[in-house]
Amino acid sequence: AQRVTQPEKLLSVFKGAPVELKCNYSYSGSPELFWYVQYSRQRLQLLLRHISRESIKGFTADLNKGETSFHLKKPFAQEEDSAMYYCALSGRNRDDKIIFGKGTRLHILP
Amino acid sequence: DAGITQSPRYKITETGRQVTLMCHQTWSHSYMFWYRQDLGHGLRLIYYSAAADITDKGEVSDGYVVSRSKTENFPLTLESATRSQTSVYFCASRTEGLREQYFGPGTRLTVT
Repeated sequence: AQRVTQPEKLLSVFKGAPVELKCNYSYSGSPELFWYVQYSRQRLQLLLRHISRESIKGFTADLNKGETSFHLKKPFAQEEDSAMYYCALSGRNRDDKIIFGKGTRLHILP
Repeated sequence: DAGITQSPRYKITETGRQVTLMCHQTWSHSYMFWYRQDLGHGLRLIYYSAAADITDKGEVSDGYVVSRSKTENFPLTLESATRSQTSVYFCASRTEGLREQYFGPGTRLTVT
């Protein structure tokens, strides 16, 4: 079964501390992985996609196929990072839909 | 970001009424999607469309109807609103080639 699991509903981290948002997936094949971010009462925005191997707003995520994980990391948390983060997966076929995890709320403590 | 818009942004309606939520995108994206966002459930797919006149059900389609007569519009209709349909509804779109989706600002619907 195709599934995205974000084990933490809420993660509280002090400003300046490292952040790691966990994401594990189940997929028979070679998926594309994404992280989306939703700031308070705003639309979801694409943060990262694994195929780009980019760093956005200091966040990085590495696809670990052996552990089927795509954890989101940032070395030093900032208050503006407080938001809801969704990990998502898509197959590579034309009509494949995105499967979202249930999200992790990141709360940066001052 | 005027690429994908939704209207209305807020709606209060009564149980049993028909409600239509509008979604419009200016990118000529082939694919469009409707999700509902609820606490504890994350995002759940209601309906999607691969092109004009092609629609298909998602995981929570009961009680909803969609149409797509034009590529740029993808309205979602609640035929007879129920309190369980109180939610935030997001529309999204993507191109045929790329997998990432782009979201509208959402419609907060309350059914009383």
